[in-house]
Amino acid sequence: DAGITQSPRHKVTETGTPVTLRCHQTENHRYMYWYRQDPGHGLRLIHYSYGVKDTDKGEVSDGYSVSRSKTEDFLLTLESATSSQTSVYFCAISERNPGSLEKLFFGSGTQLSVL
Amino acid sequence: SQQGEEDPQALSIQEGENATMNCSYKTSINNLQWYRQNSGRGLVHLILIRSNEREKHSGRLRVTLDTSKKSSSLLITASRAADTASYFCATETGAGSYQLTFGKGTKLSVIP
Repeated sequence: DAGITQSPRHKVTETGTPVTLRCHQTENHRYMYWYRQDPGHGLRLIHYSYGVKDTDKGEVSDGYSVSRSKTEDFLLTLESATSSQTSVYFCAISERNPGSLEKLFFGSGTQLSVL
Repeated sequence: SQQGEEDPQALSIQEGENATMNCSYKTSINNLQWYRQNSGRGLVHLILIRSNEREKHSGRLRVTLDTSKKSSSLLITASRAADTASYFCATETGAGSYQLTFGKGTKLSVIP
């Protein structure tokens, strides 16, 4: 299994509080991603990073920010959590060969409940 | 918006039968990938097919890609109860996109 660790695995928080999810990799992969998974929507990309301090928005980035200060860590922050952000969050990593992205390796997920 | 859409949404078959899942997408792609997700777990990569390829095999898996129809299919032969999972297609669109866009998945149930 690829070395990806998400923390925490489960979190319950209250509306309006800030929340930070952490993704740590030991594979030295350049690309890191945060997805959320909701029933009826599949996986949707929140933010991604293509290098240290290089990040960009995905399809559902509103209400989320990210930071990547070193290769191995990618943080997802909900500045002020809302109930609509209750979801399962997955981190993924990948590399890229000339011409196309390679396969993604996924973490085990973080179940976040915002009450 | 979803780039890839799997069909059917759910599929139930008997052990030993073949399972076929389809994926349609909207815009041109660099590659298409299939992933599997067991309940409560992260996704696991199954197979990648590039836009200039038409068919790939991996064990009991066979993937086809028809870029003219913007569609792909995943065939699992001689299915087993352990194949019960959700299956997702994902597409990378355009050079330098760095992103994979996932469909909503097909939930496969293999009955022993």
